[in-house]
Amino acid sequence: EAAVTQSPRNKVTVTGGNVTLSCRQTNSHNYMYWYRQDTGHGLRLIHYSYGAGNLQIGDVPDGYKATRTTQEDFFLLLELASPSQTSLYFCASSLDRINTGQLYFGEGSKLTVL
Amino acid sequence: GDSVTQTEGLVTLTEGLPVMLNCTYQTAYSTFLFWYVQHLNEAPKLLLKSSTDNKRTEHQGFHATLHKSSSSFHLQKSSAQLSDSALYYCALSDEATGGNNKLTFGQGTVLSVIP
Repeated sequence: EAAVTQSPRNKVTVTGGNVTLSCRQTNSHNYMYWYRQDTGHGLRLIHYSYGAGNLQIGDVPDGYKATRTTQEDFFLLLELASPSQTSLYFCASSLDRINTGQLYFGEGSKLTVL
Repeated sequence: GDSVTQTEGLVTLTEGLPVMLNCTYQTAYSTFLFWYVQHLNEAPKLLLKSSTDNKRTEHQGFHATLHKSSSSFHLQKSSAQLSDSALYYCALSDEATGGNNKLTFGQGTVLSVIP
């Protein structure tokens, strides 16, 4: 079973605060993704990457930056957090293209912006 | 762009009754369809996947058939169990973006199975 580890698992910040969510996968997967999960909206893709140094824009990128520093590590950055970014964030990885592979999710990071 | 629609936000069933969760989609390209399941306080996990029209796919007692003519991929099970209670996501991926594929998820359906 592929392992995807997220930190922190819980984070509380104030409006305008700076937040970094970290994700590490140790299965040599090429693709990594950041999703947010909200009731009524399901899982929505923020950013994704297919390798170190690569970044692709997802469907809801506004207010988020991301960086893939190594094959293992993918970070999500909120530089000026807003209450609308209160959500449960999931990181995921897959070895190959989604069509042929399987997406492995981390346990989630709950972010609250006051 | 692509879209996935799950019409039911919550489905409540008595144990032993059949399960059917609806999923329809829109895309202009060849598609791969998936069902993911997320139990309480856990990460989503892949349950089923398919790209073949009119072929039934089964896993862990659940099954689904991709019908391209009606753009549907409904999830079914003959007899619900208490342990089936979870959040279920339908998702699709298309070939349009080549090697940078991504999943588009529906809104999710909570299945609650009661004794």
